[in-house]
Amino acid sequence: SQKIEQNSEALNIQEGKTATLTCNYTNYSPAYLQWYRQDPGRGPVFLLLIRENEKEKRKERLKVTFDTTLKQSLFHITASQPADSATYLCALLNSGNTPLVFGKGTRLSVIA
Amino acid sequence: DTAVSQTPKYLVTQMGNDKSIKCEQNLGHDTMYWYKQDSKKFLKIMFSYNNKELIINETVPNRFSPKSPDKAHLNLHINSLELGDSAVYFCASSQGLGDEQYFGPGTRLTVT
Repeated sequence: SQKIEQNSEALNIQEGKTATLTCNYTNYSPAYLQWYRQDPGRGPVFLLLIRENEKEKRKERLKVTFDTTLKQSLFHITASQPADSATYLCALLNSGNTPLVFGKGTRLSVIA
Repeated sequence: DTAVSQTPKYLVTQMGNDKSIKCEQNLGHDTMYWYKQDSKKFLKIMFSYNNKELIINETVPNRFSPKSPDKAHLNLHINSLELGDSAVYFCASSQGLGDEQYFGPGTRLTVT
């Protein structure tokens, strides 16, 4: 069966450290992956998109990698701050005219 | 100048009632979506419209009926509400299917 899994439901890290979130998928052939941030009581906000032929994408303190062999995407936040505390969702677009499929998210808490 | 807006933000109603949620986007996007986020925070696609045409209809009870009067609006009507319909419903839009999505603030529906 098809699955998209974000390994940790919750992740706590110290301020200033790098947070690494994992997104694994099974039985999908994604054209690309997207990462979103969701704060409590609000809708998800788009952060980054990485295509299947790209290994890495960066935006300010954010970095996303995409390994189609491992069927995995890693999302990194460097020099993390308490304001980075939120739930982060990965979403993949499978080949063909199919909708975006979201993982359940990882709740990140950055502790000062 | 909100990009994607939804009304109402909160909706409390009794079982068996019929209710509607409205969504509007001012981004000029061609594609709009309805998602349901349950108590476990899992975000699941319900419907997608492209230029007022239904293109994705996931396994959703017939009691849910989307309507798109124009490409800037996508409303959701729910008949005979059930307890299990309680969730947060998000509207979203994107330029094309699979492009980065812009989400509304959500409508928290509580069925008693």
